Amino acid sequence: DAMVIQNPRYQVTQFGKPVTLSCSQTLNHNVMYWYQQKSSQAPKLLFHYYDKDFNNEADTPDNFQSRRPNTSFCFLDIRSPGLGDAAMYLCATSQGQEQETQYFGPGTRLLVL
Amino acid sequence: AQSVTQLGSHVSVSEGALVLLRCNYSSSVPPYLFWYVQYPNQGLQLLLKYTSAATLVKGINGFEAEFKKSETSFHLTKPSAHMSDAAEYFCAVSPTGGGNKLTFGTGTQLKVEL
Repeated sequence: DAMVIQNPRYQVTQFGKPVTLSCSQTLNHNVMYWYQQKSSQAPKLLFHYYDKDFNNEADTPDNFQSRRPNTSFCFLDIRSPGLGDAAMYLCATSQGQEQETQYFGPGTRLLVL
Repeated sequence: AQSVTQLGSHVSVSEGALVLLRCNYSSSVPPYLFWYVQYPNQGLQLLLKYTSAATLVKGINGFEAEFKKSETSFHLTKPSAHMSDAAEYFCAVSPTGGGNKLTFGTGTQLKVEL
């Protein structure tokens, strides 16, 4: 089945230690999104790639970076995680046009010690 | 900027009872509207979406929603709740003519009791 895969499902890191979360898709969609969802809150868009074009949300901290080496993979890098970065990180994909459904992965829960 | 407001962060219904989850949008022009469901420790799954084709939208698992422009609402309903419907539900908006970026409401946790 075509899907969005996120690894790992749970990630523990130390305060200030860089961490990378990964997302892959078999849907061949041209847009990939990263959302941050803190406990009991709505998902918040961090950035997205339309093909190779990177689009950062205005309020996304510089501490968060992303890479998309090819259509299938997208990475979220947190350069110096703080305690406030502990959250569920959701990857999603879509065909990109308006009204197209976004398909979400299961998420990676990040714990910062 | 467009936004959605979900009234009621927690809703509790009895199994077999009507489910009504409220969502109101704020937009100068009718946007695209979505309902997603999230089960514990999982990603979001699309229930249904409004894209201006029809005001009454039917989705998966027996859910439906009606777009009411006069009330700026897109409430989610299901005639008869099932235990498996217990989850968090998010309403989301995407602007017309503005790409495909979603802005989510704060969510409603649905509890289904025997």
